Amino acid sequence: DTGVSQDPRHKITKRGQNVTFRCDPISEHNRLYWYRQTLGQGPEFLTYFQNEAQLEKSRLLSDRFSAERPKGSFSTLEIQRTEQGDSAMYLCASSLLGTGFLGGYTFGSGTRLTVV
Amino acid sequence: DAKTTQPNSMESNEEEPVHLPCNHSTISGTDYIHWYRQLPSQGPEYVIHGLTSNVNNRMASLAIAEDRKSSTLILHRATLRDAAVYYCILTRGGSQGNLIFGKGTKLSVKP
Repeated sequence: DTGVSQDPRHKITKRGQNVTFRCDPISEHNRLYWYRQTLGQGPEFLTYFQNEAQLEKSRLLSDRFSAERPKGSFSTLEIQRTEQGDSAMYLCASSLLGTGFLGGYTFGSGTRLTVV
Repeated sequence: DAKTTQPNSMESNEEEPVHLPCNHSTISGTDYIHWYRQLPSQGPEYVIHGLTSNVNNRMASLAIAEDRKSSTLILHRATLRDAAVYYCILTRGGSQGNLIFGKGTKLSVKP
């Protein structure tokens, strides 16, 4: 297993365009998390899935953001009508249910979004 | 969730030990203490965790105060590759929620 993969690594888009990011978790992990990180700050939680069910969404996840995890495998995060304030690193993490509080989170390297 | 307090930044010399402190005065009895670190342009990676007793692994050691209101991450011999932001995070035992990150401590290692 190669860990958590995120694609693309970098994305530059014009304001108002839609973008979609993909995350492939560790295969046996049933939990998948999305975080956003701006410069100088720690990652901020956006949402998480258990299998294909989206169980929690942060208030940071505005109506322009949508995440899916069809079939409980990979996940996509879409941002519609991007704004300059959406520029950030978007991180994905996965874990196995019941191991998170024992250090079981694995993060991907992130997708860096720049909105111009 | 209980909050943690860490210094914004620390400096170390290569091959010297580094002690990274974390205060968590409102920790509850079932909270685990975790440390993650984030190398430049990478996602966070797990370093170590503990509940009450001191812990050692191949990456670091975790020293937990007797009253559990503070802890220290110890890197025994800092290398240039240890330059990163180190996050101290509390998670409730048995919880299934997400990690809540603060700003962490940015560690610089000088050759």
